[in-house]
Amino acid sequence: SQTIHQWPATLVQPVGSPLSLECTVEGTSNPNLYWYRQAAGRGLQLLFYSVGIGQISSEVPQNLSASRPQDRQFILSSKKLLLSDSGFYLCAWSPRLTRDGYTFGSGTRLTVV
Amino acid sequence: AQSVTQPDIHITVSEGASLELRCNYSYGATPYLFWYVQSPGQGLQLLLKYFSGDTLVQGIKGFEAEFKRSQSSFNLRKPSVHWSDAAEYFCAVGADDSWGKLQFGAGTQVVVTP
Repeated sequence: SQTIHQWPATLVQPVGSPLSLECTVEGTSNPNLYWYRQAAGRGLQLLFYSVGIGQISSEVPQNLSASRPQDRQFILSSKKLLLSDSGFYLCAWSPRLTRDGYTFGSGTRLTVV
Repeated sequence: AQSVTQPDIHITVSEGASLELRCNYSYGATPYLFWYVQSPGQGLQLLLKYFSGDTLVQGIKGFEAEFKRSQSSFNLRKPSVHWSDAAEYFCAVGADDSWGKLQFGAGTQVVVTP
């Protein structure tokens, strides 16, 4: 069966420090991969999605970047964190068909101080 | 433009009472529709989905949803809520032409009182 792993679960980082969040999927090949951010009391904002290795699409301009170095690995990064980067980050994967929907990771709570 | 609207930001319901969460969408193509649930500090879990066939779909945890094309709605229901149903619920819509991307509503927070 397919599983998705996301880590770390919680992260407290100072302003200006770098960031690296990792997401891996097991049990499937060629997944679509997504990074979402959920700010406190707000809905889900799609940050990046990827349909293949090295293929990254950005949905909103921001202080973050994403990479997909391997088929089932998706990384969210920042060179210098801002206070506004605080939030709950969710990774998700889906098969090629939209009708199957997403499977989400358990999320990373990022607090920038 | 494609959009998903969940008109109720917050709903309070008594344990044992029925629950209905509203979802309206605006989508040019034939949509695929989903309901997800999120417990505090957790990821989202798929409750149910619709893409064709019977317009009344059954999901996990005793939830069901009905697709009404004429009303562009996909409302979620549960006949009798349990305290463990307290969570945030998200409606989402996608289509084959969307590169697999789903559009999510803003969510409805459900509080269950004794």
